[in-house]
Amino acid sequence: GEEVAQTPKHLVRGEGQKAKLYCAPIKGHSYVFWYQQVLKNEFKFLISFQNENVFDETGMPKERFSAKCLPNSPCSLEIQATKLEDSAVYFCASSLSPGNEQYFGPGTRLTVT
Amino acid sequence: KQEVTQIPAALSVPEGENLVLNCSFTDSAIYNLQWFRQDPGKGLTSLLLIQSSQREQTSGRLNASLDKSSGRSTLYIAASQPGDSATYLCAVSSNAGGTSYGKLTFGQGTILTVHP
Repeated sequence: GEEVAQTPKHLVRGEGQKAKLYCAPIKGHSYVFWYQQVLKNEFKFLISFQNENVFDETGMPKERFSAKCLPNSPCSLEIQATKLEDSAVYFCASSLSPGNEQYFGPGTRLTVT
Repeated sequence: KQEVTQIPAALSVPEGENLVLNCSFTDSAIYNLQWFRQDPGKGLTSLLLIQSSQREQTSGRLNASLDKSSGRSTLYIAASQPGDSATYLCAVSSNAGGTSYGKLTFGQGTILTVHP
């Protein structure tokens, strides 16, 4: 597609439940990036993919967070056993190459209660 | 560790005014710098991308400059309009031996309000 698509728009989970977020990059873009926005404007890089391969996972929390990009499927970000501090907006972005412009999706707002 | 700072945190101007938003970064070894706008409750819209070898980029009423050696970028908005009201974010990707991993480090943003 012409835009990065993210689903769902909103997700509410009780503490300890699993959350799974999806991202469809712009068609033809090989790179996918996940960012977490907390406290309004604090963006944190989580992980990036080159096609289905992990490209950079330096921002990914060691526990509870995992991500995948499989062929012919949307990319996914999964949080096992959510905590209150996971409440944030999760953005996905895609680009042609790591040095190119990144195009962001509308985000998924995760609320952990 | 790269740190990005944006000044001012908030700016309120009357319609028609020209304005400048500032962004500074601590590590000059960047690959590129990108300016975004974010409307309330929405995603980021890319405005301009400046590669580290470039000095400026222009798009319509927007002009972004980059001084890599001093670790600064400015976003100039000409003849501001109420529709320009949004949060403006700058983000840098670091240069890793002549290439980039694409990971963006963001500033805290400048909240711009343009009143009629």
